[in-house]
Amino acid sequence: DAKTTQPPSMDCAEGRAANLPCNHSTISGNEYVYWYRQIHSQGPQYIIHGLKNNETNEMASLIITEDRKSSTLILPHATLRDTAVYYCIVRDHTGANSKLTFGKGITLSVRP
Amino acid sequence: DSGVTQTPKHLITATGQRVTLRCSPRSGDLSVYWYQQSLDQGLQFLIQYYNGEERAKGNILERFSAQQFPDLHSELNLSSLELGDSALYFCASSVEWFGTGPYGYTFGSGTRLTVV
Repeated sequence: DAKTTQPPSMDCAEGRAANLPCNHSTISGNEYVYWYRQIHSQGPQYIIHGLKNNETNEMASLIITEDRKSSTLILPHATLRDTAVYYCIVRDHTGANSKLTFGKGITLSVRP
Repeated sequence: DSGVTQTPKHLITATGQRVTLRCSPRSGDLSVYWYQQSLDQGLQFLIQYYNGEERAKGNILERFSAQQFPDLHSELNLSSLELGDSALYFCASSVEWFGTGPYGYTFGSGTRLTVV
C-alpha cells in the first residue's frame, strides 16, 4: 500500500533551489515524514524528518503543510552531486510498523 | 564512510550455491536491517534484528536467513541461489530502542550479488 505519492522525475538547474513534492493524504497523527536519497547504487542516505513543524538541517529543509497531507523537501542550492533518487517515506514509530518502507521515489536530475 | 560496514562489496556465484553477507553496524547502534534492491522491485525490506533478537520480518524468502551476533554484527545467509536473487543487498543500522523512536537509519554501501 503506497502511503506517499511522488512524481517520477524532475530536474533543476545547478545553483537553484530544488523543491521536491510529496503527497501523503492518508498520514495519521503519529506518523512522521522522512526523506532519504540514493545516489546511483550507493546506500540510501538519511536527509531529514519531521512530524508537523517545518524542519531544517545542513542538507535541506522540510516544509509540511498544516493539514500534514503533503510536504516539500527543499535543497536550497542544488549541485550536480544532488542528482539522485529521493524517497519520501511516512513512518509509524510504534512497534513492528516502524520499519522504513521505500517506494519508487523521485529522480532528481541537476543540470549544469 | 557511513560507519556501517558491509562485506564483501561484490560477490559472483553460481545458481544453487549458498553465500553469506556480513554487516557491522555503526558503533552504538543496536538494530540492524537488511534490504534487497533489484532493478524491478526497488528497495525491499527483508528483516530487522534488535540486540540479537528478530524484530520484524518483510518479504524474506525461506531460502534466506539472518542472525545478529552478541557483538551486534549481522549475517544474511542466502541459499539455493537463483538468477533472480541477483541484486544489491543493503544493511542499515539504528540506535532504535525496543519501543522505537524517531531515529534515522544509516545504510552501508551494499553488497552486489550476481548469480550466474
